[in-house]
Amino acid sequence: DTAVSQTPKYLVTQMGNDKSIKCEQNLGHDTMYWYKQDSKKFLKIMFSYNNKELIINETVPNRFSPKSPDKAHLNLHINSLELGDSAVYFCASLPNTGELFFGEGSRLTVL
Amino acid sequence: DAKTTQPTSMDCAEGRAANLPCNHSTISGNEYVYWYRQIHSQGPQYIIHGLKNNETNEMASLIITEDRKSSTLILPHATLRDTAVYYCIVTSSGTASKLTFGTGTRLQVTL
Repeated sequence: DTAVSQTPKYLVTQMGNDKSIKCEQNLGHDTMYWYKQDSKKFLKIMFSYNNKELIINETVPNRFSPKSPDKAHLNLHINSLELGDSAVYFCASLPNTGELFFGEGSRLTVL
Repeated sequence: DAKTTQPTSMDCAEGRAANLPCNHSTISGNEYVYWYRQIHSQGPQYIIHGLKNNETNEMASLIITEDRKSSTLILPHATLRDTAVYYCIVTSSGTASKLTFGTGTRLQVTL
């Protein structure tokens, strides 16, 4: 079973649309993250949740809204998509031992 | 979290040891050194981490200098599958750790 799974893996959409990316981890970790990797390959942290509570919000536009229905899920909803939102979005979970477990990424292309 | 400095790229012949350096001169006493790698466009993969002592696991060895201002990741027998971007990260442990990724070192393993 995949430890951290993201859906969809690929997403192509038009500017102005609203889309969601889902993430689930079956590792029992309390903390989950969203990272964005742009075309220059910089991997930037966006959000972190601990047991459904937001603990890190790295000056991400309000169009991005994470939601954590339970500690095993952290979804990312994006409103009014812009060209600059095109990137690969990685979900990750963190155990007490400190090493991040990443998903395989969701490649978003905004046309 | 302390900033790290890594060479942009390195080459290594297959079968030889790959030694990847990382400078973290502003590291604090409670901060760990973590290494991750990202193969092509996959999700980053945890390799190893340490605080003060040298560490070894099935993937690699981590050598941390006595003053903790630098470290070296060693892949003892590099293979073509080790071609990836390697990230050195310095962070405190715990759920609030931002685990900020820099630009990393692109390791190219050649025949």
